[in-house]
Amino acid sequence: GQQLNQSPQSMFIQEGEDVSMNCTSSSIFNTWLWYKQDPGEGPVLLIALYKAGELTSNGRLTAQFGITRKDSFLNISASIPSDVGIYFCAGQDELSEKLVFGKGTKLTVNP
Amino acid sequence: ETGVTQTPRHLVMGMTNKKSLKCEQHLGHNAMYWYKQSAKKPLELMFVYNFKEQTENNSVPSRFSPECPNSSHLFLHLHTLQPEDSALYLCASSQDMGGPSTNEKLFFGSGTQLSVL
Repeated sequence: GQQLNQSPQSMFIQEGEDVSMNCTSSSIFNTWLWYKQDPGEGPVLLIALYKAGELTSNGRLTAQFGITRKDSFLNISASIPSDVGIYFCAGQDELSEKLVFGKGTKLTVNP
Repeated sequence: ETGVTQTPRHLVMGMTNKKSLKCEQHLGHNAMYWYKQSAKKPLELMFVYNFKEQTENNSVPSRFSPECPNSSHLFLHLHTLQPEDSALYLCASSQDMGGPSTNEKLFFGSGTQLSVL
């Protein structure tokens, strides 16, 4: 089935550092979503993007909908220990209208 | 509290057991979903219900049987499962189904961690 390529798979950073992760697809998406999953919990929506080129922030998080409509990135500035978790991208395929998830980026923040 | 409640949080069952997972959403949404989350794999969509009607079955084995008595409740009945069915089962809801001009923002429950022995 269709997949998103999400990278990196994992990141180990020091507290205070900035983080960047991205997702790419071979097909065009009309929506990009970024979720965070804490251990033992379900994913929680962080940011939703609906238009190509859209740049949206949520506190220290910033995400962009790529102009080609085939990619998106998520940046976290000045990371803190509670940022640890798995971050998932998800996109709604324009043709199939199905929501497809990436495999996730596992973030570890060392105090 | 995400508005989507799943019970039980953890479940251990033998391959001959019959058990059910329960999901309830308090968000007034019309669509509900079952996803399977296995380690190092993308979330796998299993079933979709819209206004209590099943609109999608993603080639899920018949040992998984969903039930949606109303727009707020969703069940997943399990019987004669296999060890490879061990995973985190997530329920989600959204206001409406995704479409050309709608956007499918999902709200997830905390999941049921299932272990099949």
